[in-house]
Amino acid sequence: AAGVIQSPRHLIKEKRETATLKCYPIPRHDTVYWYQQGPGQDPQFLISFYEKMQSDKGSIPDRFSAQQFSDYHSELNMSSLELGDSALYFCASSLGGQQGTDTQYFGPGTRLTVL
Amino acid sequence: AQSVAQPEDQVNVAEGNPLTVKCTYSVSGNPYLFWYVQYPNRGLQFLLKYITGDNLVKGSYGFEAEFNKSQTSFHLKKPSALVSDSALYFCAVRTRSGGYNKLIFGAGTRLAVHP
Repeated sequence: AAGVIQSPRHLIKEKRETATLKCYPIPRHDTVYWYQQGPGQDPQFLISFYEKMQSDKGSIPDRFSAQQFSDYHSELNMSSLELGDSALYFCASSLGGQQGTDTQYFGPGTRLTVL
Repeated sequence: AQSVAQPEDQVNVAEGNPLTVKCTYSVSGNPYLFWYVQYPNRGLQFLLKYITGDNLVKGSYGFEAEFNKSQTSFHLKKPSALVSDSALYFCAVRTRSGGYNKLIFGAGTRLAVHP
């Protein structure tokens, strides 16, 4: 079965640079979620989109922005990168993500290292 | 505030023995509860969820979990552990007051199954 695809899998950036992470949801899924997992931490919710509209916002810094496109893929844009942004960034997708009963299926993650 | 507690950082079990990974939650309203497993350098894999109905939920790879409303718990169990079950396990909750979008994760429990 098709899974969530994230690219790139690994990314190394310098401080103050920008980064773009991409997420391709499971076919026919209409909801995308972004999470950040720091070293030894549990995943923290950043933002979600349902049918291309932002549906919820968590602890996402103002330096980050995201959107969901017409083909349902999503991009997380990160600017003015800081050392503390080094983490594993997960994308998850689901079908009908407005009722809470849907299952979020996670991608393999993008490991971002900021030097 | 909604929260999930996994009181054990690590659980050690001998192969073939039953295992239990504990999870308790604190939410307002009815919780939707999930278990995920994370292998090293991999994404989160969905194991099972409780939405409503039968308190005993069966999931992937022989895992099951029991929802106990009075004890606000959702412990993960397996009758006979395998060495390949060794991984990091996360309990998570979603609620209406949380907007039904984000998953709130516990800190994770590392399961080590010894031959």
